[in-house]
Amino acid sequence: QLVLTQSPSASASLGASVKLTCTLSSGHSRYAIAWHQQQPEKGPRYLLKLNSDGSHTKGDGIPDRFSGSSSGAERYLTISSLQSEDEADYYCQTWGTDIWVFGGGTKVTVL
Amino acid sequence: EVQLVESGGGLAQPGGSLRLSCAASGFSFSRYEMNWVRQAPGKGLEWLSYISNSGDNIYYADSVKGRFTISRDNANNSLDLQINSLRAEDTAIYYCARTYMYGYYFDFWGQGTLVTVSS
Repeated sequence: QLVLTQSPSASASLGASVKLTCTLSSGHSRYAIAWHQQQPEKGPRYLLKLNSDGSHTKGDGIPDRFSGSSSGAERYLTISSLQSEDEADYYCQTWGTDIWVFGGGTKVTVL
Repeated sequence: EVQLVESGGGLAQPGGSLRLSCAASGFSFSRYEMNWVRQAPGKGLEWLSYISNSGDNIYYADSVKGRFTISRDNANNSLDLQINSLRAEDTAIYYCARTYMYGYYFDFWGQGTLVTVSS
């Protein structure tokens, strides 16, 4: 079964970096994922698509502060130079045969 | 500018029906696959349904199969979701989302429409 696992919360200070993790279920370690940001009271926004080799493609207008990387079944989103507007929920997404799956989301707090 | 604008949400009775719509603009709608996703209050995102650009291929999450029907009108750049036999657990914000043309992930989202199921 295709499942994505995310930690519920993360926090870091203004100007610091934070690294979020999305873990693919067993047998799916080569799957690509996408990261989405959802600021409070807004619809989600696509950030980037991340491949198993760590290569990634960002959406239009996504700042350089957002980057992705991969290791085995883990997919990471790193936000550098944290800004107050980065306080949001972050979801990873993947897809299989006739199915699309989201992780449970990570709430990022900027201290 | 790509825009997806959902409408049709509101208060509905358990057992009733609702039809949601998503108006697309700023891109060639007929060339893109589309999806519906929902988010219950305080919860995460849940994919509901997919429709191919022509409408020939349709998929549903097991949780909504048999009660939800997705459709599209390429002439009018619109995407619909018919929800029947409404349940309290259908209470959520419903989003339409575009699938990236050369991949499977969602590259644009609407702002959502709120559906509340309550007597």
